[in-house]
Amino acid sequence: AQKITQTQPGMFVQEKEAVTLDCTYDTSDPSYGLFWYKQPSSGEMIFLIYQGSYDQQNATEGRYSLNFQKARKSANLVISASQLGDSAMYFCAMREDPLLIPTFGRGTSLIVHP
Amino acid sequence: AAGVIQSPRHLIKEKRETATLKCYPIPRHDTVYWYQQGPGQDPQFLISFYEKMQSDKGSIPDRFSAQQFSDYHSELNMSSLELGDSALYFCASSSRGAPLHYEQYFGPGTRLTVT
Repeated sequence: AQKITQTQPGMFVQEKEAVTLDCTYDTSDPSYGLFWYKQPSSGEMIFLIYQGSYDQQNATEGRYSLNFQKARKSANLVISASQLGDSAMYFCAMREDPLLIPTFGRGTSLIVHP
Repeated sequence: AAGVIQSPRHLIKEKRETATLKCYPIPRHDTVYWYQQGPGQDPQFLISFYEKMQSDKGSIPDRFSAQQFSDYHSELNMSSLELGDSALYFCASSSRGAPLHYEQYFGPGTRLTVT
C-alpha cells in the first residue's frame, strides 16, 4: 500500500496567488516526520519544510506552510504568493522513525503562470 | 552552511562499463543514503550507511555496491551498466543526534546517462 499519496499529478497557479499541494499519509507509528521537497528542472532536491508528528503547531518557513491535520493524516503544503521560480516538482515524504528509510510520494508538478 | 556534495554532477558511460559516484555528507552527519530517480519517478531508496556500517538496503541491484569510508564519505559503485541505469542518483545525509533527527539533506545529484 502506498504510504504517501499525492493525488495531484499537476497543478497550475497564477503568479502571486496561493496554492495548496495535497499529501496524505498512512502510518500506525505514533512518531513520525513529514517533509516537503522541491525539485526544479535542474534536478536537485531542495528541502522545504518539516513537520513532526508531535508538533502542536503547523510548520512554516517563509512562504511555505504545512497544513497538518493529524486525524485526517494529511500534510498539505501551502505556498503563498506564488512566484515563477516556484515552478517545479514537489515531493511529500514521511519518515516513521529516525532509523527507517523515508518514503516519498509520486510528486506534484506545479506550474506558475505569469 | 555546508551541504551534501556529490561528484561528478554528470556522467556518461556505455553499456557494460562501470561507474563510481561519490558523496560527501554534511560534516558531523553520521548517516548516508543513496537514491535512484528515474525520469518522471519519485526517488527510490537504494542503500544507507550509519557510522560506516550498512544500515538498510532497498532496491539496489546486485551489480551495485556501496560503502562508507572512515571520513564518512560514501561511494556507489555500479558495474555492468545497463541502459535502464540511466537516472539521477542522489545522496542524502542526516544525523541521528540532531534536534530534527528525522531530517535528510539531499545532494545535488549525479545524472548518469548510459548509452
